[in-house]
Amino acid sequence: DQQVKQNSPSLSVQEGRISILNCDYTNSMFDYFLWYKKYPAEGPTFLISISSIKDKNEDGRFTVFLNKSAKHLSLHIVPSQPGDSAVYFCAARESGGGADGLTFGKGTHLIIQP
Amino acid sequence: ETGVTQSPTHLIKTRGQQVTLRCSSQSGHNTVSWYQQALGQGPQFIFQYYREEENGRGNFPPRFSGLQFPNYSSELNVNALELDDSALYLCASSLGQVRTQYFGPGTRLTVL
Repeated sequence: DQQVKQNSPSLSVQEGRISILNCDYTNSMFDYFLWYKKYPAEGPTFLISISSIKDKNEDGRFTVFLNKSAKHLSLHIVPSQPGDSAVYFCAARESGGGADGLTFGKGTHLIIQP
Repeated sequence: ETGVTQSPTHLIKTRGQQVTLRCSSQSGHNTVSWYQQALGQGPQFIFQYYREEENGRGNFPPRFSGLQFPNYSSELNVNALELDDSALYLCASSLGQVRTQYFGPGTRLTVL
């Protein structure tokens, strides 16, 4: 049973346009959400996070939106650049502390077309 | 500031053998978490060490064990290797359990 789901294995977007990556979760105990970006042969790189008390967090070209009632979050990248081509992972942490680690989705491979 | 480092980069073992993977946490970070990433999957939480003690564990058998040292570096040990243990093993460090985790480049383990 996957508690964090990224239903699009891949996404192709033209350079300069908006990329929207989606993530759904089932565990109501999740209270903190993160997005990581991963290039081949490298470890995941932290991008942006959001607490469950917020519905939006912005950092430069990256914005994360959280809809708690729908148990859905999304990552918006505007404008998309060639260097954004990578696998993006959505991750979540349960409330009560971080001792249970992060629960990851399977990732979405974002391809930015020139 | 040095990021998270892991060694070795790649490792090939045979079924039944034992392996030790190493991780140096980012400067100032006192918490280390280990993850297993199989091909085509997201990372799966193995366990976490905080102040040299295991304080959280995912759904992995006891043959996966670890250590954290006073300088906060860590080891992951896997005994009686199985073919399904072939994966990328990722170490992540953080300042405390609730802070953002920063990942190392991983160790690619192949079990033949």
